[in-house]
Amino acid sequence: DQQVKQNSPSLSVQEGRISILNCDYTNSMFDYFLWYKKYPAEGPTFLISISSIKDKNEDGRFTVFLNKSAKHLSLHIVPSQPGDSAVYFCAASGYGGSQGNLIFGKGTKLSVKP
Amino acid sequence: EAQVTQNPRYLITVTGKKLTVTCSQNMNHEYMSWYRQDPGLGLRQIYYSMNVEVTDKGDVPEGYKVSRKEKRNFPLILESPSPNQTSLYFCASSFGSGGHEQYFGPGTRLTVT
Repeated sequence: DQQVKQNSPSLSVQEGRISILNCDYTNSMFDYFLWYKKYPAEGPTFLISISSIKDKNEDGRFTVFLNKSAKHLSLHIVPSQPGDSAVYFCAASGYGGSQGNLIFGKGTKLSVKP
Repeated sequence: EAQVTQNPRYLITVTGKKLTVTCSQNMNHEYMSWYRQDPGLGLRQIYYSMNVEVTDKGDVPEGYKVSRKEKRNFPLILESPSPNQTSLYFCASSFGSGGHEQYFGPGTRLTVT
């Protein structure tokens, strides 16, 4: 059973507009959530994270929102740029003795059109 | 330059022939981890290590072994590779687990025939 789900395999957005990537999870005990970006032929790179005790974290153009009651998080990119075109992975870290266990979603491919 | 290196970057092998993929980091990170990426399945964690001599299974550990004898190195061992282990493998490291940023290596493309 998938614990971290990204239900949209792809998203297309116009340059300058907002990109919203969504992620749902099933385990209410996850303590951290992270977003990674991946370009083809490269390893993933970290974007932003949020602790389960917060509901928002912002870093420049990137903001992550966490809705614990809905077990949902989203990544907002404003304004979107063509260089943001990549696959975005949502991830959740385990809890307690399994803090090292990181569970990824299947990814959403974002295309930002000039 | 702070980095995670993996070798080899590409490998084609045959079923049953033992192989090792090396991973090394120069950031003095305590935490290291291995993932595999497959089409439609995203990234799945194979094994992780919280520190030297401390390793634990991720979500898909079957068919793999790891060791952490030194802080900087975390090799992935396939004792008897099978075609279903054909995948893109990534090593990663970070100062800690949980919400810490993980630095990923460039990946190793493995094909088992």
